[in-house]
Amino acid sequence: DAGITQSPRYKITETGRQVTLMCHQTWSHSYMFWYRQDLGHGLRLIYYSAAADITDKGEVPDGYVVSRSKTENFPLTLESATRSQTSVYFCASRVRGQGSHEQYFGPGTRLTVT
Amino acid sequence: QQQVKQSPQSLIVQKGGISIINCAYENTAFDYFPWYQQFPGKGPALLIAIRPDVSEKKEGRFTISFNKSAKQFSLHIMDSQPGDSATYFCAASILRNSGNTPLVFGKGTRLSVIA
Repeated sequence: DAGITQSPRYKITETGRQVTLMCHQTWSHSYMFWYRQDLGHGLRLIYYSAAADITDKGEVPDGYVVSRSKTENFPLTLESATRSQTSVYFCASRVRGQGSHEQYFGPGTRLTVT
Repeated sequence: QQQVKQSPQSLIVQKGGISIINCAYENTAFDYFPWYQQFPGKGPALLIAIRPDVSEKKEGRFTISFNKSAKQFSLHIMDSQPGDSATYFCAASILRNSGNTPLVFGKGTRLSVIA
């Protein structure tokens, strides 16, 4: 199916392990985003990318690494997972420019760090 | 510093009633104000959005009211239905010029519409 997909949908990992969450979109949107959603905090931006090979920090980037070698993929890596990174992670994408401002979200990845 | 403050955190409304969710923002440079709707287990989806050149925008039962001088905007859901039960997020960003900024989200309001 076309659209924006995330994998895995559920992940349990141990403290200190490295884990990568994948995000893939089929629209060739320029912008891609990673958010985490926690009760009481809403959606907080971790990192975003305006195009391939261009990334910027968001509100809560510590402990996360991103890369964007291809327009359609935007993986998020937790280099050494901590319990505080237990959360639901959403990837989103948007076209560039003034035309449409809608952000399209993926279905989310529920990550538990034990 | 929280740039977009949303209230209430949760809201219970009778079927057929009006649901009202409020947001306030700090940054006067914001010029795009969307509302996103999220059902359990799903990602958020755009519901309705407004630019500051108008004070109100209506789409079906959903209306955004915008008060630029007060730096506030609100979502009104008329004739609320059980199917409207979801979490609602307000957001804001800067669209003008070529450097679009990412959306800043409020903390969300969990709406329950009871029969």
